[in-house]
Amino acid sequence: GQSLEQPSEVTAVEGAIVQINCTYQTSGFYGLSWYQQHDGGAPTFLSYNALDGLEETGRFSSFLSRSDSYGYLLLQELQMKDSASYFCAVREAGAGNMLTFGGGTRLMVKP
Amino acid sequence: NAGVTQTPKFRILKIGQSMTLQCTQDMNHNYMYWYRQDPGMGLKLIYYSVGAGITDKGEVPNGYNVSRSTTEDFPLRLELAAPSQTSVYFCASSSLLAGGNTGELFFGEGSRLTVL
Repeated sequence: GQSLEQPSEVTAVEGAIVQINCTYQTSGFYGLSWYQQHDGGAPTFLSYNALDGLEETGRFSSFLSRSDSYGYLLLQELQMKDSASYFCAVREAGAGNMLTFGGGTRLMVKP
Repeated sequence: NAGVTQTPKFRILKIGQSMTLQCTQDMNHNYMYWYRQDPGMGLKLIYYSVGAGITDKGEVPNGYNVSRSTTEDFPLRLELAAPSQTSVYFCASSSLLAGGNTGELFFGEGSRLTVL
């Protein structure tokens, strides 16, 4: 079966940089996605990595190492509005090609 | 742009009651999904559909049923509600299977269900 591990909570100050890690065990890996979810809200898509390396989208970047079964989400110039939960998700053949989500990392940004 | 719309947003059920959560999308996506999210947890796939008339079980299908008579609509039926079904239910859609080479699913705002 598949499993994804990410820290349950991370705290950082406004303006700082924070990295949220995700390790996974899958069979037939296709790619790693990241989603943001504010309290009481819907998950919204942030980024996707299918190949090794860094993808940058504004203040957010996502990294993947397929050989290490590891990825991370990097948030720069943190703002208070970045306080939310962040989920990594993998698409894998072993789960019927479906998207499987990790348990989420709650990020708290402090002034 | 409505995207994915879910109704109701909130519902309280008594044990043993049944209800249907409605989901509709206006993006002409073939692929639709139902996830549940328990407090402080990730999302677990209940059922999914790859097109009208085709549905399949996900990770946690017991106690639920779905149908897909049109591309737009994907209702989730709860039969004989139990306290273990207290959760937030999210409907999602995508143009490619599980987001394909974009990894992107579009989610509705969720339906918060409490079973007492």
